[in-house]
Amino acid sequence: QSVLTQPPSVSGAPGQRVTISCTGSSSNIGAGYDVQWYQQLPESAPKLLMYANNKRPSGVPDRFSGSRSGTSASLAITGLQAEDEADYYCQSYDSSLDGSRVFGGGTKLTVL
Amino acid sequence: QVQLVQSGAEIKKPGASVRVSCKASGYTFSTYVISWVRQAPGQGLEWMGCISVSHGYTKLAQKFQGRVTMTTETSTDTAYMELRSLTSGDTAIYYCAREEISARFDYWGQGTLVTVSS
Repeated sequence: QSVLTQPPSVSGAPGQRVTISCTGSSSNIGAGYDVQWYQQLPESAPKLLMYANNKRPSGVPDRFSGSRSGTSASLAITGLQAEDEADYYCQSYDSSLDGSRVFGGGTKLTVL
Repeated sequence: QVQLVQSGAEIKKPGASVRVSCKASGYTFSTYVISWVRQAPGQGLEWMGCISVSHGYTKLAQKFQGRVTMTTETSTDTAYMELRSLTSGDTAIYYCAREEISARFDYWGQGTLVTVSS
């Protein structure tokens, strides 16, 4: 059972917009700790996709955007492309676990 | 460019220990934290703990306390993670990651598959 809750799967057709939610609690996202998002392509290491809730590392297309509100965060992908098919993980910091870093369970994005 | 290069795959028997290495390059090794994250087959990411390279201070997730040791060797810019008393439940890919401010993992190693099997 992950500390951060994500839907197991989402899907969308090419060109569409999808969102992935990440629900936490008052000891992590709700406490104001930053949320990161990682993209993991098949057979690859995770890659930082979004940091500090809504900031994109260099090289990440602006089709990807992030937001945080209350105890939740979300990742939006617009103009869906076949190469976006991957697993997506949210991650934050949790003060109730004495400084542990925590991940969501991951969401499999399928491009139809 | 920042790179983290990990040691190769390992096969271990139950009860044994494994040590995975992570060699950093392209940045000042001592100024960052290194975290270790594992991923069991078909499962999600699990943070194991981290080590401050400059201070040697470690923080371990509760479930790994007493079974994991994290160290660094600044002369070779290498981090190590040792996991003891292995069981089949420890079969996973183990990743090292550079930890930036606000606990974000900005660079990852390629992963090391550890298989525990009798």
